[in-house]
Amino acid sequence: AQSVTQLGSHVSVSEGALVLLRCNYSSSVPPYLFWYVQYPNQGLQLLLKYTSAATLVKGINGFEAEFKKSETSFHLTKPSAHMSDAAEYFCAVSDQPGGTSYGKLTFGQGTILTVHP
Amino acid sequence: DAGVTQSPTHLIKTRGQHVTLRCSPISGHKSVSWYQQVLGQGPQFIFQYYEKEERGRGNFPDRFSARQFPNYSSELNVNALLLGDSALYLCASSSPGQGHHEQYFGPGTRLTVT
Repeated sequence: AQSVTQLGSHVSVSEGALVLLRCNYSSSVPPYLFWYVQYPNQGLQLLLKYTSAATLVKGINGFEAEFKKSETSFHLTKPSAHMSDAAEYFCAVSDQPGGTSYGKLTFGQGTILTVHP
Repeated sequence: DAGVTQSPTHLIKTRGQHVTLRCSPISGHKSVSWYQQVLGQGPQFIFQYYEKEERGRGNFPDRFSARQFPNYSSELNVNALLLGDSALYLCASSSPGQGHHEQYFGPGTRLTVT
């Protein structure tokens, strides 16, 4: 079974500071990994995805994440936080496509990012 | 292009009642998945349908059921509502051309059970 652990339910940074949101995964097969963002009272928006190509993945809004197989990690970073980055962030894992996999996502518990002026 | 749409936006029901939630996928997408997001938690997988057949089911009781129509829209039905069913219900659609793994989410239906 697949699982995702997000370390830290709340992260607070100052505007302009580095953002680091941590995600560790468990999977018995090579995974696909995702970061989604959720603004209040909205659905989920895909930030970026790892699909077994480059280990450093760049996404929207200046975010990037690095897949480290040896550490089973997929941490999300942004060099300089902006007030508009305040939201809840979810890490998710799915099986690679093929066979009986239809892309079911398993999500972490989420990390709320607060950005202070 | 229109994204995934869901209706209604908000819903208030009483314990024991039945509810139907609706989802229309992105044009060209043939797969629809349903997730339940309880306040303060990550979304939990409920069902996935592809080409009108159930392709996956999460750990939810039989009170939860779903179906997919010929136009690929979908309904999620919940019977005998409990207070614990209060949640944001998210629908996502995907395309086999992307291996189904890139899922696009709708805005959700907020269900409150009193």
